Amino acid sequence: DAGVIQSPRHEVTEMGQEVTLRCKPISGHNSLFWYRQTMMRGLELLIYFNNNVPIDDSGMPEDRFSAKMPNASFSTLKIQPSEPRDSAVYFCASSGQGYGYTFGSGTRLTVV
Amino acid sequence: GQQLNQSPQSMFIQEGEDVSMNCTSSSIFNTWLWYKQEPGEGPVLLIALYKAGELTSNGRLTAQFGITRKDSFLNISASIPSDVGIYFCAGQGGSNYKLTFGKGTLLTVNP
Repeated sequence: DAGVIQSPRHEVTEMGQEVTLRCKPISGHNSLFWYRQTMMRGLELLIYFNNNVPIDDSGMPEDRFSAKMPNASFSTLKIQPSEPRDSAVYFCASSGQGYGYTFGSGTRLTVV
Repeated sequence: GQQLNQSPQSMFIQEGEDVSMNCTSSSIFNTWLWYKQEPGEGPVLLIALYKAGELTSNGRLTAQFGITRKDSFLNISASIPSDVGIYFCAGQGGSNYKLTFGKGTLLTVNP
């Protein structure tokens, strides 16, 4: 089991550029979550998918953020245009029948 | 929304000492979870608690689900340097998929 796989691990981009973060959940898990972690706000849930369908996107900060899950093995989180305040670590997590999530190693995003 | 108060924010201890941290909530949770996060990695699940009053151990770690369902604690006995990291509590309520996370406890263990 390779776990939840995220790419890239690190991303440095200029303000205004488009950023795409990628996630491959654990095979067989039917729930996928995108979280953002900052020192100030801790872990914040951005969006939740169940069986590839977005169920709750109330945590998405604004229209610049969008997420897709075209199939059970892939999801993307896109920020367009990016801003310095978007700098954070973005985690993808997946969950199966049991409680608790399995997190990926995260993408550290720096917007300059 | 639901909020968890996790304390302490940070701890500096000597190797071999026991550690205790806790989380309280104004809301009832049906599940309590404890995660550990090491630098450059995502949180990893340590212990899951499903019933009020439940006491569960995982090696040197022991966690309890409070009777009121509004609190939980995590104890680490005989700490070792590799226990260093940030420990998060998380609560899940009812059929709500959403996990609410505490702000974390940063643990430093001096050899």
